[in-house]
Amino acid sequence: DSGVTQTPKHLITATGQRVTLRCSPRSGDLSVYWYQQSLDQGLQFLIQYYNGEERAKGNILERFSAQQFPDLHSELNLSSLELGDSALYFCASSGVQYGYTFGSGTRLTVV
Amino acid sequence: GQQLNQSPQSMFIQEGEDVSMNCTSSSIFNTWLWYKQEPGEGPVLLIALYKAGELTSNGRLTAQFGITRKDSFLNISASIPSDVGIYFCAGQPGGNEKLTFGTGTRLTIIP
Repeated sequence: DSGVTQTPKHLITATGQRVTLRCSPRSGDLSVYWYQQSLDQGLQFLIQYYNGEERAKGNILERFSAQQFPDLHSELNLSSLELGDSALYFCASSGVQYGYTFGSGTRLTVV
Repeated sequence: GQQLNQSPQSMFIQEGEDVSMNCTSSSIFNTWLWYKQEPGEGPVLLIALYKAGELTSNGRLTAQFGITRKDSFLNISASIPSDVGIYFCAGQPGGNEKLTFGTGTRLTIIP
């Protein structure tokens, strides 16, 4: 157990729908990052939050949004889903003491 | 999005052989990380490098932070079946910043 918890583990939904992915960072970590991994691809950075505020943005689509709540958990919202959004979505957290750690991911399948 | 150049893309080796892979970047990083990913799981940190020229070992794994800060190398000695997976390098500009990942090296061990 890495200490970073992601739910749900699997999600199957139809095109045009909206889903929310959830991430609880490791205890004490203030930074949360979201990454997308398409089939047999590397991980692409989407967005970073630090202590509730957006800190960095990657190639995140306008249909996607995220937020980090006061208890430091984060949610990634994906709307108007398309077939090409099917991927693994990973959350990672980092802090001063333990560095960068990934969760086990959410596998999103859009049908 | 940006990805680091990682080679080779795949390797087919026999158990007991040594493995070498490398990663290059057009930009400088202050931290280089090597991760291993198994099917359905998030990347797991193998080795972290924080200083140019640094050589660090973790069991049968040895990694080096290139002097130019634009490259890194990972060696696995005496491979065993559980080494199978995809290995990713990642560069980080500084603490609590996003990672830029390599394209991955898929390691397969031939019986």
